Amino acid sequence: SAVISQKPSRDICQRGTSLTIQCQVDSQVTMMFWYRQQPGQSLTLIATANQGSEATYESGFVIDKFPISRPNLTFSTLTVSNMSPEDSSIYLCSVWGTEGKSTGELFFGEGSRLTVL
Amino acid sequence: GIQVEQSPPDLILQEGANSTLRCNFSDSVNNLQWFHQNPWGQLINLFYIPSGTKQNGRLSATTVATERYSLLYISSSQTTDSGVYFCAVVGEETSGSRLTFGEGTQLTVNP
Repeated sequence: SAVISQKPSRDICQRGTSLTIQCQVDSQVTMMFWYRQQPGQSLTLIATANQGSEATYESGFVIDKFPISRPNLTFSTLTVSNMSPEDSSIYLCSVWGTEGKSTGELFFGEGSRLTVL
Repeated sequence: GIQVEQSPPDLILQEGANSTLRCNFSDSVNNLQWFHQNPWGQLINLFYIPSGTKQNGRLSATTVATERYSLLYISSSQTTDSGVYFCAVVGEETSGSRLTFGEGTQLTVNP
């Protein structure tokens, strides 16, 4: 398994501001994934963060809105920029638990619950 | 991309009842997981089960990969089983090895 810590666990933000979410993993992993869960909805992948290269974004998500950093193999940040109430969601960081292989389990952090006023 | 459908979308039970949740997927998969999201939003891994049957206490799961479905059984349900149950898969043809989630089943267990 993998132990994943996210900060902040929750925050209330003002419209137009930006917030950076941190994700720390207890082991080195190649890929880290950022998901968004809007209220009452399922999880949607925002992007895959690879160490040493730019993040790969899914359709509907852009780097200007969700810049991602991946400075080393155990840490990543996701910034939600110029927030609006529609950005109110739970943001989750995740990693593969079995040597980074997709044939194993995916583990999630506790999530960061953002409310934008 | 691969499609994941879960049923039923909502389920209300009395404590002690049994239930079956279903997950259908549109293509071959090399990864299938069941998660429980508790009322505080935390995702808990229940099963990694791309094929076969597994059991863990009152919960068990079966995946029939050739027929593209998986079932999650909850027996003798308890109020703490309440929450949303998600099925998620990685399709064999999926690039980037990303997990695709179904819409979930909202389970409410009443005392």
